[in-house]
Amino acid sequence: GAVVSQHPSRVICKSGTSVKIECRSLDFQATTMFWYRQFPKQSLMLMATSNEGSKATYEQGVEKDKFLINHASLTLSTLTVTSAHPEDSSFYICSARGVSSGEVETQYFGPGTRLLVL
Amino acid sequence: KNQVEQSPQSLIILEGKNCTLQCNYTVSPFSNLRWYKQDTGRGPVSLTIMTFSENTKSNGRYTATLDADTKQSSLHITASQLSDSASYICVVSAIRGGGADGLTFGKGTHLIIQP
Repeated sequence: GAVVSQHPSRVICKSGTSVKIECRSLDFQATTMFWYRQFPKQSLMLMATSNEGSKATYEQGVEKDKFLINHASLTLSTLTVTSAHPEDSSFYICSARGVSSGEVETQYFGPGTRLLVL
Repeated sequence: KNQVEQSPQSLIILEGKNCTLQCNYTVSPFSNLRWYKQDTGRGPVSLTIMTFSENTKSNGRYTATLDADTKQSSLHITASQLSDSASYICVVSAIRGGGADGLTFGKGTHLIIQP
């Protein structure tokens, strides 16, 4: 079945450094990928939407220069948190929307990346 | 404003017992409703997805119901197991609106199964 993978699963970095998170769709081509952030005991909050080969669309309040998104192919999207600060510490989840063989279009979530900025 | 409300916020039951989680929504125009299971520190995993015309769908010990008239859904878990301990998230998809992803997320019900 369709699977979305994320790498790394956990990252600890120093304040001021940049962190890249990869999101891959396996066994299906994702027409659209989404990036979410989730704080403890809160809902997933959509950060941005990206379509392959075009610029990402950011939700209100999300800094596009801080959260760089690249959607290089139908199976890979990356989120780079630039000059990370402790308040960026969160659980980042990507999601891919597409059609897996024999199924209707749906949305699959990755396992998440736990970012801790010291 | 599109909203999804889930209840209870948290629930503790003994292993082997059944439970029912509730979801009320005001998303319009409605496209589909999904239930996800999210283990701590993991991404959501889809349990069921129901469109307007479907009023029940099962996935093993999970049975979801949908009443599109009252805009309510429930997730029933039968013969609970320790591995069912997780957050259960109700997500409603709009044909348009919601976020750019068209989804409105509930805050989830945190379920704990005790031995």
